[in-house]
Amino acid sequence: TQLLEQSPQFLSIQEGENLTVYCNSSSVFSSLQWYRQEPGEGPVLLVTVVTGGEVKKLKRLTFQFGDARKDSSLHITAAQPGDTGLYLCAGVGSGYALNFGKGTSLLVTP
Amino acid sequence: DVKVTQSSRYLVKRTGEKVFLECVQDMDHENMFWYRQDPGLGLRLIYFSYDVKMKEKGDIPEGYSVSREKKERFSLILESASTNQTSMYLCASDRDSNQPQHFGDGTRLSIL
Repeated sequence: TQLLEQSPQFLSIQEGENLTVYCNSSSVFSSLQWYRQEPGEGPVLLVTVVTGGEVKKLKRLTFQFGDARKDSSLHITAAQPGDTGLYLCAGVGSGYALNFGKGTSLLVTP
Repeated sequence: DVKVTQSSRYLVKRTGEKVFLECVQDMDHENMFWYRQDPGLGLRLIYFSYDVKMKEKGDIPEGYSVSREKKERFSLILESASTNQTSMYLCASDRDSNQPQHFGDGTRLSIL
C-alpha cells in the first residue's frame, strides 16, 4: 500500500478565511483525486489531477498536483460554512484500488 | 444519474451473529469496493471485486468475506460479528481505476 499523508488532520476556521490542505506521499501516482464527504453521506469526487504541476480551479477551490506527482494541495479562498466536511485525497497507482489519505476534517463557523 | 445504494443506513446486531451488508450499483461498473471508516484511521479497504465472482483482499480482510454473483451487487459478510467490527461501512464502484469511485451513503453498523 502506498501511503498518503494528509495535513492538518483537523481545521477549524471562521467564515471568510483562507486555508490550505496538504496531501503528501513518497510514491508517484498516475493521478490524484480529491473527495469531500459531508456528515451522513459517502465521499463525492471534487476533482482529478493528472499532470505534474497541474492546477485546477473549482469556484473558490484550487487544486495543485506536484511536479513529481507525489503530492497535492487544496486551497480554499474565503471559506464558507458550506465548505465544512471531510476532505480526502486518493492516489491512483498501478492496481485496481485507490490509496486514500486519512482526511482533513474542516469546520467553517459563521 | 449514477447511483450506489446500500441496503441499510443503520444496523444493530449482536456478537456472534452473521451479518450481511448489501450494495447495488446501476452504472454497469466493473469494479466494486468495500471500505470501513473509523475516526483517526480514515478509509480502509476490506475487499474489492473487479468482475463477477472475482474478489481480492484489501488491507483488512480478516473477519470478513464477500460475494459478487451479479455485476451490480456486491455483498459484505461478517461471518461472526465482533464488537471491534462496529464501524461505518462504505461501498463504492468505478469503471476502472482511472475513473472516480462512486460511493453509497454508508451503513453505520453497531455490534453489541
